[in-house]
Amino acid sequence: ETGVTQSPTHLIKTRGQQVTLRCSSQSGHNTVSWYQQALGQGPQFIFQYYREEENGRGNFPPRFSGLQFPNYSSELNVNALELDDSALYLCASTMGLAGLETQYFGPGTRLLVL
Amino acid sequence: KQEVTQIPAALSVPEGENLVLNCSFTDSAIYNLQWFRQDPGKGLTSLLLIQSSQREQTSGRLNASLDKSSGRSTLYIAASQPGDSATYLCAVINSGNTPLVFGKGTRLSVIA
Repeated sequence: ETGVTQSPTHLIKTRGQQVTLRCSSQSGHNTVSWYQQALGQGPQFIFQYYREEENGRGNFPPRFSGLQFPNYSSELNVNALELDDSALYLCASTMGLAGLETQYFGPGTRLLVL
Repeated sequence: KQEVTQIPAALSVPEGENLVLNCSFTDSAIYNLQWFRQDPGKGLTSLLLIQSSQREQTSGRLNASLDKSSGRSTLYIAASQPGDSATYLCAVINSGNTPLVFGKGTRLSVIA
């Protein structure tokens, strides 16, 4: 158990729809990162939030957006879903700046876009 | 741009065998390296974190080594068990507050 939870566990959407994925981190973990993992690939960095501000972004379009809340929860929003957005979405949290300590991953949300 | 490669992509061994998983990275100026385990369809479980100043870390039957200058890390699993079957991912961080850069993983099957 990492203390990081994600909801929902599975989700099916159709192309063009919007989706919100949620992550709840351990208390005190003020850095959260989101990753996309396609089948058979390693996770790819989407963006990171530190103390409720975006603090780095990977090579993903603006239709991927996020929020971090004071209660150590966060959201990943994806607009105008495309078939290639089908993947496992992982959030990871850490105390302080990511990279200095172990990052703890949630179980992921499996998104299928039809 | 940092790139991480893991070899082999898949490995099947009989129970009890010792094995080595390999990870290489193109930019040796890393901050730390982390090994993760991922069960099918599940999230990642951190196994070992090696800071750039360290040469190895051990946890139970697992030992990870780091050779920063050559851009390599190995994960050694002793006396493998069927419960070790999973995908093992290697990831590096280039500096504080930068994201993990992952390899594609090695899918390990330990046959009873």
